[in-house]
Amino acid sequence: EAGVTQSPTHLIKTRGQQVTLRCSPISGHTSVYWYQQALGLGLQFLLWYDEGEERNRGNFPPRFSGRQFPNYSSELNVNALELEDSALYLCASSTGQGSDTQYFGPGTRLTVL
Amino acid sequence: GDSVTQMEGPVTLSEEAFLTINCTYTATGYPSLFWYVQYPGEGLQLLLKATKADDKGSNKGFEATYRKETTSFHLEKGSVQVSDSAVYFCALTRGSYNTDKLIFGTGTRLQVFP
Repeated sequence: EAGVTQSPTHLIKTRGQQVTLRCSPISGHTSVYWYQQALGLGLQFLLWYDEGEERNRGNFPPRFSGRQFPNYSSELNVNALELEDSALYLCASSTGQGSDTQYFGPGTRLTVL
Repeated sequence: GDSVTQMEGPVTLSEEAFLTINCTYTATGYPSLFWYVQYPGEGLQLLLKATKADDKGSNKGFEATYRKETTSFHLEKGSVQVSDSAVYFCALTRGSYNTDKLIFGTGTRLQVFP
């Protein structure tokens, strides 16, 4: 069974640009979560989508947004990139049916210059 | 609010030594508790979990027991290997049906030398 996949693996952008990260959950999983792992800041929750709806949002500015598609894949969009957005962005999925276990993808490394 | 506190690293051990990484939590109700491991350059892998008091999670020789009275979930392994070198994250989740976000500790780096 394929795990959570994310693309691209690495990205380099400049300040002010926009970026889109993609995530495909494990087959049968309906919930997708996004986390940011920035140097020195640990793992911070960004967004949670389930059945196409945004269920919860972490303490991030509105320029961080996303969506979930009918096939349960998800996109994370970051507008007006800032240097401090440089981080590893991790996507996780779960069955979303009373399951508390999230399975993570390999992440997308974003560097903002 | 809910939080997780882990011992600071790095933890440096010789191969075959005993490992303990301390984790305590603050949460109302009955959270589920997890240990995730992150190898260099990779994402997070679920190592083990426990969903109620006195549950013991175990995997690949690692164990952790959910202690509600001490609000702890310490990770242990009897004999570490060089291949166990990684960053270990303690985490909890709570919310209706426990499908809400994970709250992580800061991570503990383990370095095992031959």
